[in-house]
Amino acid sequence: DAKTTQPPSMDCAEGRAANLPCNHSTISGNEYVYWYRQIHSQGPQYIIHGLKNNETNEMASLIITEDRKSSTLILPHATLRDTAVYYCIVRYPPEVTGNQFYFGTGTSLTVIP
Amino acid sequence: KAGVTQTPRYLIKTRGQQVTLSCSPISGHRSVSWYQQTPGQGLQFLFEYFSETQRNKGNFPGRFSGRQFSNSRSEMNVSTLELGDSALYLCASSLEGSVAGELFFGEGSRLTVL
Repeated sequence: DAKTTQPPSMDCAEGRAANLPCNHSTISGNEYVYWYRQIHSQGPQYIIHGLKNNETNEMASLIITEDRKSSTLILPHATLRDTAVYYCIVRYPPEVTGNQFYFGTGTSLTVIP
Repeated sequence: KAGVTQTPRYLIKTRGQQVTLSCSPISGHRSVSWYQQTPGQGLQFLFEYFSETQRNKGNFPGRFSGRQFSNSRSEMNVSTLELGDSALYLCASSLEGSVAGELFFGEGSRLTVL
């Protein structure tokens, strides 16, 4: 699985958009970008995933650059409950390598009132 | 729909003992994965089971083992416990065939080895 690089920490004002970057310059053509987050003392929670196109769901938007070497997770209106560690993971789809995920160190996002 | 259930939530053991942790996946999910989380190493993949067979294994010693039953429930066992095994052990289930490969995690079992 391709390696990812994320900033260790970020702050965001409550109500503003939180933009979390992720570099994955060695991503291959069949690898997806996944985002999970982990709120303190809880299990990680799936947020969104994508291959090439930008994706949006009720939680967030995922913007993937055209060369796919980086992506940005956008939380449009951050709340205090969005304070968590956010993990960017690049991997092949489950039918290729099963369901193991390799989590890095992630970005610790703090939403400030 | 009930989520992923892990038991026990907390336990304390001493070095040399063994421990068994249990995980009940979401109904209909046949893939169960186990992860270890420590402050120093972060979240690390232990193994994955599907249809009672180990499908993938992470880089952990043989003291760490697991199994899956016909009802998809899974257990993991750690023998000859070491202080470094103190960690949060997380179980995740997944719906096979899902393109998303979305993992649903339980709350974890926090193991302390004294």
